[in-house]
Amino acid sequence: DAGITQSPRHKVTETGTPVTLRCHQTENHRYMYWYRQDPGHGLRLIHYSYGVKDTDKGEVSDGYSVSRSKTEDFLLTLESATSSQTSVYFCAISEGQSMNTEAFFGQGTRLTVV
Amino acid sequence: GNSVTQMEGPVTLSEEAFLTINCTYTATGYPSLFWYVQYPGEGLQLLLKATKADDKGSNKGFEATYRKETTSFHLEKGSVQVSDSAVYFCALSGSTTSGTYKYIFGTGTRLKVLA
Repeated sequence: DAGITQSPRHKVTETGTPVTLRCHQTENHRYMYWYRQDPGHGLRLIHYSYGVKDTDKGEVSDGYSVSRSKTEDFLLTLESATSSQTSVYFCAISEGQSMNTEAFFGQGTRLTVV
Repeated sequence: GNSVTQMEGPVTLSEEAFLTINCTYTATGYPSLFWYVQYPGEGLQLLLKATKADDKGSNKGFEATYRKETTSFHLEKGSVQVSDSAVYFCALSGSTTSGTYKYIFGTGTRLKVLA
């Protein structure tokens, strides 16, 4: 199994509070991704990183920010959580040498905003 | 932009039935195509992939062929088992205008196999 750890695995937070999710990898892969999974929408890309301090937006980036100060860690921050951000969040990594390489996924973080 | 469309579920089959889950894509250039599977409470894991036109990916009895002329990558299995019950995601990996790579996923198709 690819070494990907997401933390926390479950979190309940109140509307308006900041929340940070962490993704940690031990594979030294270049690319890291944050997705959210919602019924009827599948997986939607929030942000991704193609190197330390190199990030780009995905299709649903509003309300989210990311940071990658080390190869192994990719943080997703909800600056002011809203109920619409209740979801399951998945981190993924890939070597990124070409588009042919597969992505490996973490176990997911279930976030509930009340 | 790039996109993936897959058939809605749920799909309910009896054990040993034939499975097809349709997937079509829209992409610029020549993406790589993937099928991922998600078992309850878990993250996604790669089932198979194909990286160029007419390639056939296969694994655990599942197959899919990269059809450029129809922009499709349909998943098939000749005889499903109860243990195949899961959610299946079609995905593509393509390059962006800035030269980076990202994965785009379909909405997922839930498969339930009855004994």
